Amino acid sequence: NAGVTQTPKFQVLKTGQSMTLQCAQDMNHNSMYWYRQDPGMGLRLIYYSASEGTTDKGEVPNGYNVSRLNKREFSLRLESAAPSQTSVYFCASSVNYPIEKLFFGSGTQLSVL
Amino acid sequence: RKEVEQDPGPFNVPEGATVAFNCTYSNSASQSFFWYRQDCRKEPKLLMSVYSSGNEDGRFTAQLNRASQYISLLIRDSKLSDSATYLCVPRGNTGKLIFGQGTTLQVKP
Repeated sequence: NAGVTQTPKFQVLKTGQSMTLQCAQDMNHNSMYWYRQDPGMGLRLIYYSASEGTTDKGEVPNGYNVSRLNKREFSLRLESAAPSQTSVYFCASSVNYPIEKLFFGSGTQLSVL
Repeated sequence: RKEVEQDPGPFNVPEGATVAFNCTYSNSASQSFFWYRQDCRKEPKLLMSVYSSGNEDGRFTAQLNRASQYISLLIRDSKLSDSATYLCVPRGNTGKLIFGQGTTLQVKP
């Protein structure tokens, strides 16, 4: 039972390059989320998807796009990476009822040079 | 005002001490609240859920004050293994889950 799987675990990009972070969950959860965490900061919500086919902006959506490909997968795309996007990225999914609990992937450490 | 505010600390306490953190939230529609624990920038893990006035689980107690819009986490008899960052998450009615900055606890021998 894998839970939430994120790939890659580490990535180094040059400014202006693009890439997609992949996230998949095998728990049949409806909701999925992308967060970023910078040193000394909490997690900031980038985008979330309450259900298959829907996506909504979070606190810091600028510079990112997302795709909820199906119920299992929620990808995050950086079209033109910037050094300010250097961060640790966490994907999460949740079952909403009866108890809301976020299950997190192990994170992607992204460095943009 | 931020949606969720926490004192980042660090709170430095000796083993065996009792320590409490507060988390204030701005969305009065928040109905449920969660405390997560995060170790050294690993993925956060759920510590407690609060759906009414409070919840207790062993040495951990969460209390909700809706009038003042804050939720607290009390840790009794602190252990070295309690050293971590504690993140507060209120759940509103939009489905967004916005985390507080987190409070860092360091328990010293």
